[in-house]
Amino acid sequence: AQSVTQLGSHVSVSEGALVLLRCNYSSSVPPYLFWYVQYPNQGLQLLLKYTSAATLVKGINGFEAEFKKSETSFHLTKPSAHMSDAAEYFCAVSAPGRRALTFGSGTRLQVQP
Amino acid sequence: KAGVTQTPRYLIKTRGQQVTLSCSPISGHRSVSWYQQTPGQGLQFLFEYFSETQRNKGNFPGRFSGRQFSNSRSEMNVSTLELGDSALYLCASSFGRDVETQYFGPGTRLLVL
Repeated sequence: AQSVTQLGSHVSVSEGALVLLRCNYSSSVPPYLFWYVQYPNQGLQLLLKYTSAATLVKGINGFEAEFKKSETSFHLTKPSAHMSDAAEYFCAVSAPGRRALTFGSGTRLQVQP
Repeated sequence: KAGVTQTPRYLIKTRGQQVTLSCSPISGHRSVSWYQQTPGQGLQFLFEYFSETQRNKGNFPGRFSGRQFSNSRSEMNVSTLELGDSALYLCASSFGRDVETQYFGPGTRLLVL
């Protein structure tokens, strides 16, 4: 069984500040890990994914995440927040060979001017 | 290339009715997955279809069903609607190979009165 925990349902940062969204996973097999973003009244857009290659994964819009097996974490970061980053972010896990995603509860990111 | 389309975008039904939602995947994609998103339960996997066959099913009652046609378009049906079925239903498509990006549609927002 797999599960994902996102710490902090709401995160607020100032424009230009570091963005850090936390995700911890639990998986009985080596997982595939994903970060998705959802803007209001839209579907989900993939930011990045980890599939057992490089542990530091770079995604779109300047986001990156690091897979740390010892900490069972896959935190999402961006060096400098932009107003357009305000959205809800979901961490998700799947087992190799399976497309069914198990999502975390989401973190709503607010960016203050 | 057109994205994933879902119809209708909004729907209002009453308890006890049934509803059918439609998803047209990106051209060439053969895998379609469905997810339910609610404020209380978050994003939950419903089922996945590949080449007209259900590959995987989430933990939902039998009132929730789906199918996929030979052109990869998919429908999901919910019978005997309950108030708790009010949700955003998201469809995602992919080619069907392992660990690839799933592209999400904008969703169908269902309100059950």
